[in-house]
Amino acid sequence: EAQVTQNPRYLITVTGKKLTVTCSQNMNHEYMSWYRQDPGLGLRQIYYSMNVEVTDKGDVPEGYKVSRKEKRNFPLILESPSPNQTSLYFCASSLRGRLFAKNIQYFGAGTRLSVL
Amino acid sequence: TQLLEQSPQFLSIQEGENLTVYCNSSSVFSSLQWYRQEPGEGPVLLVTVVTGGEVKKLKRLTFQFGDARKDSSLHITAAQPGDTGLYLCAGSTPGNQFYFGTGTSLTVIP
Repeated sequence: EAQVTQNPRYLITVTGKKLTVTCSQNMNHEYMSWYRQDPGLGLRQIYYSMNVEVTDKGDVPEGYKVSRKEKRNFPLILESPSPNQTSLYFCASSLRGRLFAKNIQYFGAGTRLSVL
Repeated sequence: TQLLEQSPQFLSIQEGENLTVYCNSSSVFSSLQWYRQEPGEGPVLLVTVVTGGEVKKLKRLTFQFGDARKDSSLHITAAQPGDTGLYLCAGSTPGNQFYFGTGTSLTVIP
């Protein structure tokens, strides 16, 4: 079954304690991306990756890091989380980065993060 | 920041009514997608439109991409309770970034 898997689904942490949210896809997709979703703001892109070892900043990259050492994995790292990073996070992948009519972006189920 | 504005933000209608959701921007996009998201889940793609003026139909849903590729609309005919959810538009740039709209929360009352 084609899927994007995020872990954990829920996370409560404290300010300054480093954390990693993992993301894995089993579709051999080149493009992977992280988003955060906040009420009234929609989804905002944090980082994206066109392929292994290629990552780029999205709209709101401050306070986040990513790596793409393998094609299937794209972890999101918060080195020193702060309360304003409390949000719902989604990982997504698609075959290519360019949006052609049949290039579907698949989303994970989300990670709800609370930073106290 | 290229922001996609959606309207209305909230919509509550009776089963059987028609509705239109709008997605507007001051920027031009390479293509535009519409998603539906249900509570506790990630967005699910409904359609992609790539050509200015393009119209696509998916059963009772009709999607249109503006001639100038800055705006789009989603029209639902004879809404059903199963259509309830958060509808999101998303535009892509030639630089492979995605920008999502602010979302329209639709409730269809039986």
